[in-house]
Amino acid sequence: GAGVSQSPSNKVTEKGKDVELRCDPISGHTALYWYRQRLGQGLEFLIYFQGNSAPDKSGLPSDRFSAERTGESVSTLTIQRTQQEDSAVYLCASSFSPVGGYTFGSGTRLTVV
Amino acid sequence: KNEVEQSPQNLTAQEGEFITINCSYSVGISALHWLQQHPGGGIVSLFMLSSGKKKHGRLIATINIQEKHSSLHITASHPRDSAVYICAALMEYGNKLVFGAGTILRVKS
Repeated sequence: GAGVSQSPSNKVTEKGKDVELRCDPISGHTALYWYRQRLGQGLEFLIYFQGNSAPDKSGLPSDRFSAERTGESVSTLTIQRTQQEDSAVYLCASSFSPVGGYTFGSGTRLTVV
Repeated sequence: KNEVEQSPQNLTAQEGEFITINCSYSVGISALHWLQQHPGGGIVSLFMLSSGKKKHGRLIATINIQEKHSSLHITASHPRDSAVYICAALMEYGNKLVFGAGTILRVKS
C-alpha cells in the first residue's frame, strides 16, 4: 500500500484478555518499529525489527508483550492478560533502512476496561 | 536526565511570528528526526537530519553535531501550524529512536 496500515484503529478490551495489533509496513521497508503513546505522555520505544529479526526488544515493558514479523512485511504486537496501564495508542513506523526516513501508521487506540 | 531534551514544553505564538523549538541530546546519534502530530491526528515526519540544515516551505531544521543540538524554526507562523512537535534521535548503536517529550505549539490568529 501507499502508507503504513495499522489495524484495528480502535480496540476496547476487558482487563485480562489478550489482544493482537497488526502493522502492514510500506512494501520494501525492511526496518519496522513499534511505539506506544500513553495519554498525556511522550512516545515510548517498544521494539525494532530489521527484516524478520528483532535486534532490539529493550522497550517491551513486560513479558506480557511480544511481537513478531514474518516475510519482512506484516508485524503483530501481542499483549497478553491486558492491564489498564496498557491503555495507549500503539504506533508502528517503517523505513527502508534504520537510517532512512520514517513513515508512521495512524495507530491503534487500545483501551483496557 | 532524558537522553533527548526539548524546549520549550509549551509555546503560544501570534500568527506571523517566527518560532524556534530546541532539541538537545546527550548520546551519539546517526540522525535526528523532527516529527509533527496534530491534535487527534497521526505523526508526520518533517525532517531527517544528520548534518547542516534543511528547509521545506516555512519550516527550517538545523543540527550542530558538535554541540549535540538541533532546532526547528517556523517562519510566518499560522494557526494551522498548531501541533505537537517532537524531536527523535536515532541512536548511533542499536538503531533505536529516542523521543523528546514534545513541544505543544499553539498559534493564535
